[in-house]
Amino acid sequence: DTAVSQTPKYLVTQMGNDKSIKCEQNLGHDTMYWYKQDSKKFLKIMFSYNNKELIINETVPNRFSPKSPDKAHLNLHINSLELGDSAVYFCASRKEGNSYNSPLHFGNGTRLTVT
Amino acid sequence: GQQVMQIPQYQHVQEGEDFTTYCNSSTTLSNIQWYKQRPGGHPVFLIQLVKSGEVKKQKRLTFQFGEAKKNSSLHITATQTTDVGTYFCAEVQAGTALIFGKGTTLSVSS
Repeated sequence: DTAVSQTPKYLVTQMGNDKSIKCEQNLGHDTMYWYKQDSKKFLKIMFSYNNKELIINETVPNRFSPKSPDKAHLNLHINSLELGDSAVYFCASRKEGNSYNSPLHFGNGTRLTVT
Repeated sequence: GQQVMQIPQYQHVQEGEDFTTYCNSSTTLSNIQWYKQRPGGHPVFLIQLVKSGEVKKQKRLTFQFGEAKKNSSLHITATQTTDVGTYFCAEVQAGTALIFGKGTTLSVSS
């Protein structure tokens, strides 16, 4: 069974469009994340949610809006897409506890191409 | 914000040669995690190091955490083509964020 699943796997769209990426985890984890991986493979954290509440919001354009309807889901909506948004977006989750030592579980990624 | 520096960015080896990637931080790390991302895949957790001077092994992979907890390394002995991918170190920062190094991409020719 897939632990962290993202859809779609590929997304090709034109500049100016609005698109969403969905993420679901069935691991019972408390915290979910969105990471952006650019063409140089640099993984940059975008958002973190813990039990539906936003914890981390890195310097990301406000065209990006995460939404967490429940703690098993964290979706990413992007408005007015730009060429520079082209990247692979990874959803991830982690079990929080008394320490921050638990590993991240990543989804398979969504390759977004903006033309 | 703080980020671990990872070197080299790329490394090409002949199959059977050894490979090492290094992570360095200017501040003391509480712990460090290592991930591997195969081409076209997603990062997969390999191991976590917590204690000063800790050394852990997974078959041909050896992970070390420096005595001062400011650096870490991953060493692969006798590389195989299945070792191809990008290896990331990551540190936990306040607020539960896991911040990744820029990764070392390993290619192996047979």
